[in-house]
Amino acid sequence: DAGITQSPRHKVTETGTPVTLRCHQTENHRYMYWYRQDPGHGLRLIHYSYGVKDTDKGEVSDGYSVSRSKTEDFLLTLESATSSQTSVYFCAIRGQGNNSPLHFGNGTRLTVT
Amino acid sequence: SQQGEEDPQALSIQEGENATMNCSYKTSINNLQWYRQNSGRGLVHLILIRSNEREKHSGRLRVTLDTSKKSSSLLITASRAADTASYFCATVSLLIQGAQKLVFGQGTRLTINP
Repeated sequence: DAGITQSPRHKVTETGTPVTLRCHQTENHRYMYWYRQDPGHGLRLIHYSYGVKDTDKGEVSDGYSVSRSKTEDFLLTLESATSSQTSVYFCAIRGQGNNSPLHFGNGTRLTVT
Repeated sequence: SQQGEEDPQALSIQEGENATMNCSYKTSINNLQWYRQNSGRGLVHLILIRSNEREKHSGRLRVTLDTSKKSSSLLITASRAADTASYFCATVSLLIQGAQKLVFGQGTRLTINP
């Protein structure tokens, strides 16, 4: 597996609380991504980063923010968790080159009650 | 909405048989990729085919791409129990600063029966 670790692996939280998910890579890859995976919707891009402090929104970014203060860490924050954010969250990294594939972490299963 | 759509949604075959999964997409692409996901794990990259390629092989995998029909297929030959997983196609579009957006279909759930 590519050197990519997500933490925590599982989390249960209450509606209205802030939650931060962490993605850590040891590959020194430039690009990092956060996806969510839901039945009936597949994987959808939340935010992505193209360098330290360089981030942009994906297709389902409302209610989420990200930060990347170091190459190796990409944090996803749910500012005020809602039940609709119950999902499995995947971080992915990609190296340089147009044909470099994504390497995924093993996901964080988040339940908002 | 998702760019890629896989067909069938689920496929169950006997070990040793071949499995074929199809993917259709809507807009022009830079390349198309196939990924596998085992239960409870992240996606694993299988194979990439560029928009100017028509067929590509990797071990027991064969991918075809027909840009005129906006479709791709993944063939797994001589299937094994370990091939049981969900398979996703992903189309690639370019974002800023060399970042890429991969848009995934909803996947085909493949079950290999012993």
